[in-house]
Amino acid sequence: EAQVTQNPRYLITVTGKKLTVTCSQNMNHEYMSWYRQDPGLGLRQIYYSMNVEVTDKGDVPEGYKVSRKEKRNFPLILESPSPNQTSLYFCASSSPGQKGDTQYFGPGTRLTVL
Amino acid sequence: SQKIEQNSEALNIQEGKTATLTCNYTNYSPAYLQWYRQDPGRGPVFLLLIRENEKEKRKERLKVTFDTTLKQSLFHITASQPADSATYLCALAPYNQGGKLIFGQGTELSVKP
Repeated sequence: EAQVTQNPRYLITVTGKKLTVTCSQNMNHEYMSWYRQDPGLGLRQIYYSMNVEVTDKGDVPEGYKVSRKEKRNFPLILESPSPNQTSLYFCASSSPGQKGDTQYFGPGTRLTVL
Repeated sequence: SQKIEQNSEALNIQEGKTATLTCNYTNYSPAYLQWYRQDPGRGPVFLLLIRENEKEKRKERLKVTFDTTLKQSLFHITASQPADSATYLCALAPYNQGGKLIFGQGTELSVKP
């Protein structure tokens, strides 16, 4: 089954404790992205990657890091999480073509930073 | 500044009526617009794409229009059903920025039986 998986689905942590949210896709997509979703602000792109070893900042990259060492994986790293990073995070993948960059979203990771 | 705006108010309609959702943008040159559906606690799901040189696209009960002069896309659901209740998101892909997608904040649609 074609899918995007994220782990963990739920995470409660404390300020300053480094964490990684993993994202994996099995559709051989070139593009992958991370978004955060906050009430009233909608989905905002954090980082995106157009292929292995190619990443670029989205609209809200501060406080986040990403890497793309393999095509299928795109982890999101929070080196020193802060309470304003409490949010719902989505990973997505896509492949340019007839449907443009149609994003296939993962199930989401709900992060709480205390 | 660059903005994408959707109806901020929730839309409540009666079953069987047509729902019309609006997406307006400023200071972008879009290559295309997409519409997604999102259910509570779930990731968005792609519905339709319309390119900047297209006026209208249809898929079953769904229709999207794109007016680059007005800088507006309209999303219609005809013969709406309670199962259509969800939040609908528009997303804009700027020209020459492959991989970048900017989402509106979404419009919550509620279809009453």
